[in-house]
Amino acid sequence: AQSVTQLGSHVSVSEGALVLLRCNYSSSVPPYLFWYVQYPNQGLQLLLKYTSAATLVKGINGFEAEFKKSETSFHLTKPSAHMSDAAEYFCAVSRFSGGYNKLIFGAGTRLAVHP
Amino acid sequence: KAGVTQTPRYLIKTRGQQVTLSCSPISGHRSVSWYQQTPGQGLQFLFEYFSETQRNKGNFPGRFSGRQFSNSRSEMNVSTLELGDSALYLCASSETGRASGANVLTFGAGSRLTVL
Repeated sequence: AQSVTQLGSHVSVSEGALVLLRCNYSSSVPPYLFWYVQYPNQGLQLLLKYTSAATLVKGINGFEAEFKKSETSFHLTKPSAHMSDAAEYFCAVSRFSGGYNKLIFGAGTRLAVHP
Repeated sequence: KAGVTQTPRYLIKTRGQQVTLSCSPISGHRSVSWYQQTPGQGLQFLFEYFSETQRNKGNFPGRFSGRQFSNSRSEMNVSTLELGDSALYLCASSETGRASGANVLTFGAGSRLTVL
């Protein structure tokens, strides 16, 4: 069964520093992986998705993620953090069984950005 | 194109009451999914509808139900509310009904339910 583990429920970085949010997946078949961001009192917004076309995926707001099959990882990075990046980030894997739109989410990582 | 619209955004109910939440998907999207988000359990899948048919249901009691109308709008209902039902309920729509893990879900802002 597919599952997702996000390492670190809280990450704090300084403005301008590298952002690294970790996600490891468990899947018996090639997965579809997603990163979503949630700002306070809002829904989830898609940052990027991996669908096997390329291992390095670029998303919105300067974020990118690299799919590493050997490490079963899909970590999210951004070279330089901005105050507006403070939010909660969710990694998700799409369950592909019988075919339906079900996402299995990690527990989330809350990113704090300090001046 | 308008996004996914959920109403109401906030509501307060008391134990034992029932509640109905509404979701209007993006125009042209035929698949609607519902998720519950709580601090303790995180994001959990409730159910998914396509062309007025429930295709899949998560591990929730029968008090949680939903439906989809011919215009793809969806409602979910929770009967006999319990304190533990307090949560943010998120609706998401998807463009195609084709079974594919690459389908992208677009989420609404959610309906925050507080049960007292």
